[in-house]
Amino acid sequence: KAGVTQTPRYLIKTRGQQVTLSCSPISGHRSVSWYQQTPGQGLQFLFEYFSETQRNKGNFPGRFSGRQFSNSRSEMNVSTLELGDSALYLCASSLAVGRASEQYFGPGTRLTVT
Amino acid sequence: AQTVTQSQPEMSVQEAETVTLSCTYDTSESDYYLFWYKQPPSRQMILVIRQEAYKQQNATENRFSVNFQKAAKSFSLKISDSQLGDAAMYFCAYRSGNTPLVFGKGTRLSVIA
Repeated sequence: KAGVTQTPRYLIKTRGQQVTLSCSPISGHRSVSWYQQTPGQGLQFLFEYFSETQRNKGNFPGRFSGRQFSNSRSEMNVSTLELGDSALYLCASSLAVGRASEQYFGPGTRLTVT
Repeated sequence: AQTVTQSQPEMSVQEAETVTLSCTYDTSESDYYLFWYKQPPSRQMILVIRQEAYKQQNATENRFSVNFQKAAKSFSLKISDSQLGDAAMYFCAYRSGNTPLVFGKGTRLSVIA
């Protein structure tokens, strides 16, 4: 069974631009979570979706948004990019939500904002 | 809010030796899960081991085992017979109910041949 895939793997953008990242979960998984990873802040939770509904949202500004489609694929969008948005963005999928549901991570998208 | 603390930013171990990574957490919940994730230099995060708070028996997965002390809110990871492939960042994580995973800052483990 194919793992979690994320596209693109690397991205360079300029301040003020917007970006869309994509995540395809493992087949059969209905929950997708997004995390931002930086050397200074570590892993910070962005959003969690289950069956096209946002179940949890992290403490990020409104420039960060996401959605999930009926096939469970998910996208996150960052508008008006800032230098501080440079990070590795990780997506994780699981069968369901909840504390016992194991999350499987993708390889991440490395975003660099110049 | 729940927090997870990993007090060792970096550790090293000789190949074939044993190493223990520390993790403490803060919560008022009684029912939760704890996890150790490994992130090798290739960046793909994988689950190493998990522990349900209601289970008194410490989880074990091959060379990886945990020491779960619920009262002390401590969840350490022991890696036995360390191998070069164990070199990675290790993250301790916590989750209760339907809240998101909360990660510690991580411990970078080096394995010396």
